[in-house]
Amino acid sequence: KNEVEQSPQNLTAQEGEFITINCSYSVGISALHWLQQHPGGGIVSLFMLSSGKKKHGRLIATINIQEKHSSLHITASHPRDSAVYICAVSIAGNQFYFGTGTSLTVIP
Amino acid sequence: DGGITQSPKYLFRKEGQNVTLSCEQNLNHDAMYWYRQDPGQGLRLIYYSQIVNDFQKGDIAEGYSVSREKKESFPLTVTSAQKNPTAFYLCASSIGRLREQYFGPGTRLTVT
Repeated sequence: KNEVEQSPQNLTAQEGEFITINCSYSVGISALHWLQQHPGGGIVSLFMLSSGKKKHGRLIATINIQEKHSSLHITASHPRDSAVYICAVSIAGNQFYFGTGTSLTVIP
Repeated sequence: DGGITQSPKYLFRKEGQNVTLSCEQNLNHDAMYWYRQDPGQGLRLIYYSQIVNDFQKGDIAEGYSVSREKKESFPLTVTSAQKNPTAFYLCASSIGRLREQYFGPGTRLTVT
């Protein structure tokens, strides 16, 4: 049983499309993280949030604590957004749980 | 520039050999972590350390060992006891417990 579930697993979009990636979790959390992993393997932290909504450029992350659900939105998608997006949750005891990732390909 | 470095990027070893993966950070972070990533699976925690000279086992610590003699360094040794060591290994650090993590570029280990 995975503590963190992401959907979809794979996503292909045309450049300019609005993209949504979903994350559901089953444990009580301290915070939820959205990470981006490029083909070379390096991971960058995009957002850490525990309530509400955060925006950075064309990226928006929302979280609904009651429903144990978060979404990552990308507006006006671009080929450089192509990457694997990973949802992770941090819980008490210094534990992090990671989803398996959503592989996004944006076609020009 | 502050950040986390891992070396080497690619590492090849023969079965039965121990191998040590390097992780160094100059972010002055207290907490450091080692994760393993396999295809189709989420990152899994191997070991973490919150302060110098202290570290805790994660979910898949068997066959691995670590040390934390300096704040900036957290090397991981993959021992011959690790049954399936071929994987992508990621080191991360954070300023404290449960805070945003910063990741290194990773080391891809292949054991044949």
